[in-house]
Amino acid sequence: NAGVTQTPKFRVLKTGQSMTLLCAQDMNHEYMYWYRQDPGMGLRLIHYSVGEGTTAKGEVPDGYNVSRLKKQNFLLGLESAAPSQTSVYFCASGHGNTEAFFGQGTRLTVV
Amino acid sequence: KQEVTQIPAALSVPEGENLVLNCSFTDSAIYNLQWFRQDPGKGLTSLLLIQSSQREQTSGRLNASLDKSSGRSTLYIAASQPGDSATYLCAVTKGAQKLVFGQGTRLTINP
Repeated sequence: NAGVTQTPKFRVLKTGQSMTLLCAQDMNHEYMYWYRQDPGMGLRLIHYSVGEGTTAKGEVPDGYNVSRLKKQNFLLGLESAAPSQTSVYFCASGHGNTEAFFGQGTRLTVV
Repeated sequence: KQEVTQIPAALSVPEGENLVLNCSFTDSAIYNLQWFRQDPGKGLTSLLLIQSSQREQTSGRLNASLDKSSGRSTLYIAASQPGDSATYLCAVTKGAQKLVFGQGTRLTINP
């Protein structure tokens, strides 16, 4: 049982480049989330989805876009990367009022 | 806005001791509270989930309590072991099950 899988695990981008982070879950969860984790700031919610075809903004959505075309996948896009987006990104999924399961993270560096 | 605070930020104890980690939150209207463990460079692993109607949950040497009215939770670790060394995060949910995290307590168990 893979749980929540994030790809890639590491990435270095140049300022202005774009990329997409993929999150896949095999637990048939309705809810999916993207967080970023920064030293001194903790984990902050970027965007989330409450079901296939839906997305909503979290606490720090600027500079990111998301899509949930399939229930099992939640994509996070950076259209024009900035050094401030250097962070560790975590995807999570859950059924609602139950445990949330997290992926292993993507470490992104923007130079 | 919900704020979650964890005290202390870091804790170092000798092996074998029982210890308590604290978590407080400002808005008592939560759905549930979850404790996670995070090892360096890794993702988050769910330890315990307490629903808002519950007072405590236990798993092995771990016991988590919830006092929703006072906005507090504690994670009790019995007979600590070096393998318990990690960062412990608490998170509360309200509305679309969005998790709001504390900054974590970095725990070191000394052999």
